Amino acid sequence: GNSVTQMEGPVTLSEEAFLTINCTYTATGYPSLFWYVQYPGEGLQLLLKATKADDKGSNKGFEATYRKETTSFHLEKGSVQVSDSAVYFCALRGKGGSNYKLTFGKGTLLTVNP
Amino acid sequence: DAGVTQSPTHLIKTRGQQVTLRCSPISGHKSVSWYQQVLGQGPQFIFQYYEKEERGRGNFPDRFSARQFPNYSSELNVNALLLGDSALYLCASSPSGTGDHEQYFGPGTRLTVT
Repeated sequence: GNSVTQMEGPVTLSEEAFLTINCTYTATGYPSLFWYVQYPGEGLQLLLKATKADDKGSNKGFEATYRKETTSFHLEKGSVQVSDSAVYFCALRGKGGSNYKLTFGKGTLLTVNP
Repeated sequence: DAGVTQSPTHLIKTRGQQVTLRCSPISGHKSVSWYQQVLGQGPQFIFQYYEKEERGRGNFPDRFSARQFPNYSSELNVNALLLGDSALYLCASSPSGTGDHEQYFGPGTRLTVT
């Protein structure tokens, strides 16, 4: 079945540091890939997505590139802010009959200190 | 426009009891999905409903059931509660029953079973 593996947290950075959160996946075919963010006490918000190989998703300074050859979708940001502190989830959605559901990784807690 | 709303926000139940959680999708959305997020884990898919019919079910016991009403709102019921059912229950709505559209998540219902 489909699965997502993302780097263990927590990750603690200073403001303006570079961020990378690794994500790899296992899936049949070519799924759509997502990064969601969850701020304390809130639900999930879609951060960015990519629907085919070599697509780059980007939003709010965050980027991730769909790498088919390495089955990866790593999240990056060049300069993090305190307001980026949250839990980040990598997720996939399969193609075909099961393409209605999202499969999530375990999440990575990011804390950015001033 | 209002986003996905869920009620109640929090509730505490005793083992063996039954609970009903409610979700109102974004206006115009006909699909509702339910996810369980245990503390420290990523959300796990429970159900998807579209046009009042169950379209998909995750690997959850029969104690979990759901339904969708003519106004597309939904209820998730859990019978014979176990301590392990303690989690954040997330509802997501989407315009259609396929994976072609983004899922929008509500803030969740925090269930504590004692």
